[in-house]
Amino acid sequence: KAGVTQTPRYLIKTRGQQVTLSCSPISGHRSVSWYQQTPGQGLQFLFEYFSETQRNKGNFPGRFSGRQFSNSRSEMNVSTLELGDSALYLCASSFSLLAEGYEQYFGPGTRLTVT
Amino acid sequence: AQSVTQLDSQVPVFEEAPVELRCNYSSSVSVYLFWYVQYPNQGLQLLLKYLSGSTLVESINGFEAEFNKSQTSFHLRKPSVHISDTAEYFCAVSDRSGNTPLVFGKGTRLSVIA
Repeated sequence: KAGVTQTPRYLIKTRGQQVTLSCSPISGHRSVSWYQQTPGQGLQFLFEYFSETQRNKGNFPGRFSGRQFSNSRSEMNVSTLELGDSALYLCASSFSLLAEGYEQYFGPGTRLTVT
Repeated sequence: AQSVTQLDSQVPVFEEAPVELRCNYSSSVSVYLFWYVQYPNQGLQLLLKYLSGSTLVESINGFEAEFNKSQTSFHLRKPSVHISDTAEYFCAVSDRSGNTPLVFGKGTRLSVIA
């Protein structure tokens, strides 16, 4: 069974631009979560999607948004990029909701650098 | 809201020595607890989890963790480490009610020295 895939793996953008990251979950998984990982703040939860609905959202500004498609694939978008958005963005999928204790499987991440 | 504290940011240890990575959490509700491992340039992998039942949980590669409700701790231990255990380890907690997402600690970098 293929794992969680994220594209692209590396990205360089300029301040003010916008970016879209993509995540394909493991086949059969319906929950997709996104995390931002930085050396200073560690791993921070962005949002969780389940059956195309956002179920939880972390404490991030409205510039960060996401969506989930009917095939469970998910995208996250960051508009008006700032230098502080440079980070590793991790996607994780699970069979069902995090609240039910299902294991999350993480992708390798997308390394975003904002210059 | 939950929070997780990993007391050590870095832990160096000699090969074949025992190790303990400490994790304390705070929560006003019942929780699930997890340990994840991140090898260089890779995503996170689940090492072990506590959902309910026995407070001692084990992984297939020799790690174990014990849920201590009174101490609000979930420390990770291994009796004898290998070079291949060098990685960053994250403790995480989630709320059983589903009202809050998974919260991670800042991580502990384990360095195994030959």
